[in-house]
Amino acid sequence: LAKTTQPISMDSYEGQEVNITCSHNNIATNDYITWYQQFPSQGPRFIIQGYKTKVTNEVASLFIPADRKSSTLSLPRVSLSDTAVYYCLVLPHNNNDMRFGAGTRLTVKP
Amino acid sequence: ETGVTQSPTHLIKTRGQQVTLRCSSQSGHNTVSWYQQALGQGPQFIFQYYREEENGRGNFPPRFSGLQFPNYSSELNVNALELDDSALYLCASSITSGRSETQYFGPGTRLLVL
Repeated sequence: LAKTTQPISMDSYEGQEVNITCSHNNIATNDYITWYQQFPSQGPRFIIQGYKTKVTNEVASLFIPADRKSSTLSLPRVSLSDTAVYYCLVLPHNNNDMRFGAGTRLTVKP
Repeated sequence: ETGVTQSPTHLIKTRGQQVTLRCSSQSGHNTVSWYQQALGQGPQFIFQYYREEENGRGNFPPRFSGLQFPNYSSELNVNALELDDSALYLCASSITSGRSETQYFGPGTRLLVL
């Protein structure tokens, strides 16, 4: 299973764009890249998933280069409520062993 | 709101006891996964059930066991509790359809073992 590496923490200010990069050098052909957000004392919440190039939804964008060895979650114009832990996962095709790392703790300041 | 519910929300047990945690999946979801999350760490995969059969297991001992019922609700049972079992236990439901599907997490059950 592909191991992921992402920064332990990041700080930002309200209204800024935040980019969190995740490395997954040994990603397999059938693996998908998925990002989750978790607030304290809550379960993780799905943000976005992609396989290659770029995916955008109402919450975020996900950029995946051609070699798929990394991905970048982009959060436009963050607010204080975006303060959370963000997890990057590389999911096996059958999705039966989601490996969460320590995640990136994002702190948004006023 | 994901539609996934868990009970109880909090629980205190002592070493050696047994505990059963419950999860009600989102309507229409046929797959449930359980995770253990220690304080300050990411969730760790315990196991997954698909159509009432175990469909993958993480690095947890046999005293962690589970059940999935025909209505797709699920239980996590932990026997012979140890202090290190203190954690937030999360269940997540999804639809298995041959590709990586989004998992929807419940709010978790916080277990404290004394």
